[in-house]
Amino acid sequence: AQKVTQAQTEISVVEKEDVTLDCVYETRDTTYYLFWYKQPPSGELVFLIRRNSFDEQNEISGRYSWNFQKSTSSFNFTITASQVVDSAVYFCALSEGRTGRRALTFGSGTRLQVQP
Amino acid sequence: NAGVTQTPKFQVLKTGQSMTLQCAQDMNHEYMSWYRQDPGMGLRLIHYSVGAGITDQGEVPNGYNVSRSTTEDFPLRLLSAAPSQTSVYFCASSYRTGRLHSGNTIYFGEGSWLTVV
Repeated sequence: AQKVTQAQTEISVVEKEDVTLDCVYETRDTTYYLFWYKQPPSGELVFLIRRNSFDEQNEISGRYSWNFQKSTSSFNFTITASQVVDSAVYFCALSEGRTGRRALTFGSGTRLQVQP
Repeated sequence: NAGVTQTPKFQVLKTGQSMTLQCAQDMNHEYMSWYRQDPGMGLRLIHYSVGAGITDQGEVPNGYNVSRSTTEDFPLRLLSAAPSQTSVYFCASSYRTGRLHSGNTIYFGEGSWLTVV
């Protein structure tokens, strides 16, 4: 069975601070995909990143960066110089790599509040 | 290209009423699925389909029915709504085969807010 754990229920930071959202996953699959989604107050799910299990290269996109470590089964997300617009709920999710089944297992989410 | 379209966006039902949440995609995706989102629990899979005529249960299927008569549409039916089904519902779609990459990923609709009173 797959499991995704986001231990941080809520984080509050002041604008311009850096913040890291933790994600730990469990899976028996050797091939899998990891995702981060952002859910702003408007409610839609905004895709941020997808990472394949066979590619441990970290990624940076503007103020966002992701640290994927298979050895610790973690896929952490860092926002540098946070802004008020970053306030949202962030979900980490896991999809098995077998073809045909694209089901996602989600973590319970981390609510990030960025204070001005 | 509309992507994944869900209707209605908001709905209030009385206990025992039935209704259908509609989901349509125009990307010719084989795989479609429904999730529900409850406070503090993330999203959980209700039902999914790997192609027209094929459906299967997810993690929380009780109280819901689905069918997949066409590739484009994947409606979710509540036959007798209960207050426990008050939730936000998301439909998702993707290609069934091949690796997930920038041109092949999982797309979500904008969500349907359902309240059962």
